[in-house]
Order: sequence, then structure tokens, then C-alpha cells
Amino acid sequence: DQQVKQNSPSLSVQEGRISILNCDYTNSMFDYFLWYKKYPAEGPTFLISISSIKDKNEDGRFTVFLNKSAKHLSLHIVPSQPGDSAVYFCAARGSGTYKYIFGTGTRLKVLA
Amino acid sequence: DAEITQSPRHKITETGRQVTLACHQTWNHNNMFWYRQDLGHGLRLIHYSYGVQDTNKGEVSDGYSVSRSNTEDLPLTLESAASSQTSVYFCASSESYAGELFFGEGSRLTVL
Repeated sequence: DQQVKQNSPSLSVQEGRISILNCDYTNSMFDYFLWYKKYPAEGPTFLISISSIKDKNEDGRFTVFLNKSAKHLSLHIVPSQPGDSAVYFCAARGSGTYKYIFGTGTRLKVLA
Repeated sequence: DAEITQSPRHKITETGRQVTLACHQTWNHNNMFWYRQDLGHGLRLIHYSYGVQDTNKGEVSDGYSVSRSNTEDLPLTLESAASSQTSVYFCASSESYAGELFFGEGSRLTVL
């Protein structure tokens, strides 16, 4: 049973526009969430995080929103750049643990 | 600079052989993790460790084992490799109080 879901396998966006990547989870005990970016043949790199006590966290062009009642988080990238083309994973951690459960990923393509 | 390294980066082996993938980190992190990445499944947790002599099973631990004899290393062993274990394997580490995982570059394993 997939506890963290990314229902869109792929997304294409024009350069300069907003990219919105979505993630849903089923476990209400998850209290900390991460987004990672992954280029081919490289390891995932950390982008941004959010704690369950917040509903928004911003870092430059990247903003993560958390809707706990809907068990939904989203990553907004504004403006999108061609270098943002990668696979994006969301991950969730349960309270009192340090292990993360990852979603299946969304491949973002930013068109120049 | 502190880092996390995996070896080998690429390996081809035969069904039934024992294989060990190495993971070494120089951050002195207590937490270490092994994930596998497969198309349509994202990153799935195989085993993890919260410190020396501590090991725990993840979502897809069957056919894999780990040992933690020091802080820096968490080798992943496939006792008898199967074609279903053809995958890209990622090692990661984290500090106990911080959230994010730091990933290695990955090890691509092909079992023929």
C-alpha cells in the first residue's frame, strides 16, 4: 500500500511559468516532509522541507504548501527554468522516526 | 568536504552470486539508509540503521542484509542475487536532529 503518492508521472511547463508538483499521503502520523530533485545518473538532492506545524515554507523560487486536513502537499517552482527539468520526489517521515517514505516521483520538463 | 560515497558505481553479476554494495559517509551521521529506485516505484527503503550495531528492515528487505560495525559504513549484501534485484541502489545518511537525507551517487546493479 503506497503511503506517499505522486499521481502525475510527468509534467511539462513553459520556461518562466509556474510548475506545481503534487503529493498525497495516507498516514496522519507523518510530521515532516521533504522534496528532492534528481537528475539522471546522480543521487537525489534536497530541495525544501516542511514541518507539520507549518502550512507553507519558501526558499527562493521554491515554495512548499502543506494541507494537513487533505493530507496533501505541493511544490511550486516560480519561475520555472530549463535547469529545473528533473524527477521530483516527495518524502514523508513519521513522528519519532528518522526514516522517510518516498513517492514514485514526477518527471518535470521545462520547455525553453 | 564531508561526503557519502558508494561503490561500485556499476556492477553486473549472475543469479545466485553474493554481492556487496559499499556505502561510506564522512559526516559522522548516526542514521544511514539504503533505498532502491525502480521505474514506477520511486525510492523504496530496504534497510536502515540508527547507529552502530543497530539495523532495521524497511519496506523491501527480503533478500538483503546490512551490518553496522562503525559509524561511517553501512554495506548492503545480496546473499543470492536474483534478477528482480536489478535496480539502482542509493545510500543515504542523516543527523539525528536534522531532517534531510544526504544521498550518494548510486550503484547500478544488473543481475543476469
